[in-house]
Amino acid sequence: DSGVTQTPKHLITATGQRVTLRCSPRSGDLSVYWYQQSLDQGLQFLIHYYNGEERAKGNILERFSAQQFPDLHSELNLSSLELGDSALYFCASSVQGIGSTDTQYFGPGTRLTVL
Amino acid sequence: QQQVKQSPQSLIVQKGGISIINCAYENTAFDYFPWYQQFPGKGPALLIAIRPDVSEKKEGRFTISFNKSAKQFSLHIMDSQPGDSATYFCAASISGNTPLVFGKGTRLSVIA
Repeated sequence: DSGVTQTPKHLITATGQRVTLRCSPRSGDLSVYWYQQSLDQGLQFLIHYYNGEERAKGNILERFSAQQFPDLHSELNLSSLELGDSALYFCASSVQGIGSTDTQYFGPGTRLTVL
Repeated sequence: QQQVKQSPQSLIVQKGGISIINCAYENTAFDYFPWYQQFPGKGPALLIAIRPDVSEKKEGRFTISFNKSAKQFSLHIMDSQPGDSATYFCAASISGNTPLVFGKGTRLSVIA
């Protein structure tokens, strides 16, 4: 168990809908990363938050957005869903700052199926 | 643009044999190279990581070999066991908690 929690575990929805994925980082970790895993693209970085602020964006579609709240949990919002958005979504957390080892700890993921 | 290339895509090894997975990177700014292990239905879990100041790092049956001049690194799994059957991902990043760039993964099957 990495200490990172994600909910829900599975999500089935229809095209055009909007969903919210939730991530709670390990206790003490200030950084949260979101990754998308699909069969053809592998693991791809979406977005990074540190202590509530957006730090970096990767291959994140404009239909997707995220935020990190004062209690450090993060939410990934996916809207106007398309069939191609079906994938596993992982969040990872890490310590940042003095004593950081760059290790990212991954949650169990949310499997999104868009029908 | 794929910044980390991983091979092979799949690998079948006999129990007790050595599993070798290779990765090559392009960005010379990368200075942190972790390997992750992922079982079906689970998130990736850190296996072992290396930085460019050493050419080899060993933890139990797992060894990373690093060749900075060739921009390549590899994972060796000694005495491979059926329980090692999983998908392995190499990755790279720039120190300071930056996003990981992953290889496409290698599906390892260890057969008895």
